[in-house]
Amino acid sequence: GAVVSQHPSRVICKSGTSVKIECRSLDFQATTMFWYRQFPKQSLMLMATSNEGSKATYEQGVEKDKFLINHASLTLSTLTVTSAHPEDSSFYICSARDFVSYEQYFGPGTRLTVT
Amino acid sequence: AQSVAQPEDQVNVAEGNPLTVKCTYSVSGNPYLFWYVQYPNRGLQFLLKYITGDNLVKGSYGFEAEFNKSQTSFHLKKPSALVSDSALYFCAVRSDTGGFKTIFGAGTRLFVKA
Repeated sequence: GAVVSQHPSRVICKSGTSVKIECRSLDFQATTMFWYRQFPKQSLMLMATSNEGSKATYEQGVEKDKFLINHASLTLSTLTVTSAHPEDSSFYICSARDFVSYEQYFGPGTRLTVT
Repeated sequence: AQSVAQPEDQVNVAEGNPLTVKCTYSVSGNPYLFWYVQYPNRGLQFLLKYITGDNLVKGSYGFEAEFNKSQTSFHLKKPSALVSDSALYFCAVRSDTGGFKTIFGAGTRLFVKA
């Protein structure tokens, strides 16, 4: 079946630094990828939708200058958390949509801890 | 706008008993409905989906869900619960007129007691 990978699975960084999270579709091409954020014991909140080769569309309330999304190829999207603060600590999950089947597959998530 | 409601934060059942996790939705356009399960510190695992066709959908690990258009519901069920079913369950909806974004419910934590 289709696989979506995320790297790293866990990251700890200091406040003020930037962190990049990669999301890859391993055996299919994804023109569209989604980034979600999940706080402890809460649901997944859609942050943004990224389309290959164009700017991401951010959901209301999500700071696009803080959460930089790049979707440079049909198999890779990156989320960069800039100038991270402790309140950015969360579980980030990406999802990739197969451009042929339109099926959506989820990555295993990245746990970000900002100290 | 599309939305999903999971009215129960937590469901407790005894092992061997049937379980139901409730979900209602609101979309404009045709709904695509999904159930996912999440174990601690893990990503989402797909259980089942409804796109069209038979209202009763069978999925992984013995789970099934029934699509009810008039009640806009998509409740998750299992005839006999296992302790290993204890996890966090998410209902999700996607609309063919909503940009194909998948929106998740708040989640329901299922506890199955031995």
